[in-house]
Amino acid sequence: DQQVKQNSPSLSVQEGRISILNCDYTNSMFDYFLWYKKYPAEGPTFLISISSIKDKNEDGRFTVFLNKSAKHLSLHIVPSQPGDSAVYFCAARVYNQGGKLIFGQGTELSVKP
Amino acid sequence: DAGVIQSPRHEVTEMGQEVTLRCKPISGHNSLFWYRQTMMRGLELLIYFNNNVPIDDSGMPEDRFSAKMPNASFSTLKIQPSEPRDSAVYFCASRIDQYSYEQYFGPGTRLTVT
Repeated sequence: DQQVKQNSPSLSVQEGRISILNCDYTNSMFDYFLWYKKYPAEGPTFLISISSIKDKNEDGRFTVFLNKSAKHLSLHIVPSQPGDSAVYFCAARVYNQGGKLIFGQGTELSVKP
Repeated sequence: DAGVIQSPRHEVTEMGQEVTLRCKPISGHNSLFWYRQTMMRGLELLIYFNNNVPIDDSGMPEDRFSAKMPNASFSTLKIQPSEPRDSAVYFCASRIDQYSYEQYFGPGTRLTVT
């Protein structure tokens, strides 16, 4: 039972354009949502988060949008750069369970020059 | 700060052998997590500890897997006996405390069971 789903295993975007990575969830008990970025042979690193009481959070080129009614969140990267090429994981924190995170399967983003 | 340290980085072993993966969390962090990365399920949480106490081990696949945290600076994940389907990348992560949400990951151990 996958509570956090990333249905696109890969995405290819031209440098300078917008990258949009999507994530769906099924559990209404999530209180925070996070995006992690992972380069090959490295561990994931935290990128950006959003509280369940907000619908948008922006940090430089990265913006996360949360649509609670649709149980959907997305990460926008504008403009995309070749260095953004990595695997992006969506994660959700379970409220009141010791801060446990549930991760999605990941989406591999390739930004072409 | 050295970050989360995992050893070994790569492990190749034969089916039936015991495998032990090691993790040193960031100093001062009170929570530690073990994950397994697979293509189909992404990052699966296996077990996590708060203040060295196991809180949730519901993700441990079966009795062949066990994890310990004897002190705040060291944890092990053991597989005995190992099977080819255990081949994956295993990550350890730590977090300052149970109230924060950001986890810091180690570089992972790539396990291959032949």
